[in-house]
Order: sequence, then structure tokens, then C-alpha cells
Amino acid sequence: EVQLVESGGGLVQPGGSLRLSCAASGFTFSSYEMNWVRQAPGKGLEWVSYISGSSSTINYADSVKGRFSISRDNAKKSLYLQMNSLRAEDTAVYYCASQVTWGSYRYWGSWGQGTLVTVSS
Amino acid sequence: DIQMTQSPSSLSASVGDRVTITCRASQTILNYLNWYQQKAGKAPKLLIYAASSLQSGVPSRFSGSGSGTDFTLTISSLQPEDSAIYYCQQSHSTPLTFGQGTKLEIK
Repeated sequence: EVQLVESGGGLVQPGGSLRLSCAASGFTFSSYEMNWVRQAPGKGLEWVSYISGSSSTINYADSVKGRFSISRDNAKKSLYLQMNSLRAEDTAVYYCASQVTWGSYRYWGSWGQGTLVTVSS
Repeated sequence: DIQMTQSPSSLSASVGDRVTITCRASQTILNYLNWYQQKAGKAPKLLIYAASSLQSGVPSRFSGSGSGTDFTLTISSLQPEDSAIYYCQQSHSTPLTFGQGTKLEIK
């Protein structure tokens, strides 16, 4: 069974840092591209960052570029999101999602349960 | 970035009804369109990919159609467990973007 479990969320002051983790099991983690997606309270879904299976390709949303850093450790079957210079508008539930790439089609087949990040003084 | 617009933003329907949700892209995305369902307090779940392909395990009452800029998600016979927010997502261009969501309530 595919399982993604996020951790590392919590309350942090504006300007602070936080590192999120996503532990994967039930599939060959290194073969899958991964994403971080967030959802502000009562709002819709926003893609945050993408990393290829080998970490050779990384992309960020403009809203987090220069502040967030995505990485992965395939040996540990784990995905990470280092978040620096946090702002109130970064407050959200953060999900990790595994990506299926089928030809030129891309979709997110499995999601974690999410971890809440609250940026507030 | 490609903008995705869903309509309606919310709707209420009865068990057994046929329900249609529309998604429009700001430019052509061919059939690079996915649909997700999000129940209250839960993570999103993939329903449809490539505009009309049903994800494994998803009930056959769900179907998707469309190409270019206009797409629809149809639930042929609404069930109580279908109460959720539905999101479309384009996968034509990075960043992958979502519609604002359609909240479906059961009368």
C-alpha cells in the first residue's frame, strides 16, 4: 500500500524557518517525481515545488522561490521542504504528492495527510 | 501561468441526480486536465486524468470530458459520499495550476 506521511509542521514566527519531511512507503520512491502542495485555511490548492526522481530537476512556485528548498533522500525514501524567511501568507496545510508521468501526462496519484504550518507572532 | 476557472463555485443536489461541473482554461491545454476530490479534513484524491481517464478504484459514475479549453466532470447518479470539493488541474504547463474548486453538497 502506498503511504506518504508528512511531519515537521508547527507554529513559527514570521522570518523563521521550518523543515518538513515526507516519509514514503509501499512503492519504489526513487522512481517517482514528487511535489509539495499547500492549502491555506479555507482556500484552494497551490502547487509549491517539484523534484525529479534523481533530483536533477527542481522547480518552485514564484511565491516561494528563493525562500524554500526541496530535496529528497532516496535511500531513506524521504522528501523534504526547507522553508526559510516564512511569512504569514505561508500559513497552510502542506501536502506531499507523488507524481505519475505517463507519456506527456502528469498527475498526482497519491497524497499524504498533510502537516499544518502556522506563521504567526 | 494558465488560469483555471470552475463553475459553479458551489451547488446542492439530491441523491440520484446527475451533476456536472465545468472547468475552463485561459488557453488551450489539449487534454492535459485532471480532476481531484477533496472531502472535509482530508487530502485530495485523484478521480480523472488526461481529461477522461478514470483513476483505478474510482466509481464509474464519475466521468470527464472535454479538450482545448473547456472540460466537464460529470457524476451520473449522485451518492451521499460524493459530498466534497472538486478541483480541476491543468498539467499542460508548469506551474501546474488548479481551479478554485466547486463545493458539492447533498440536499
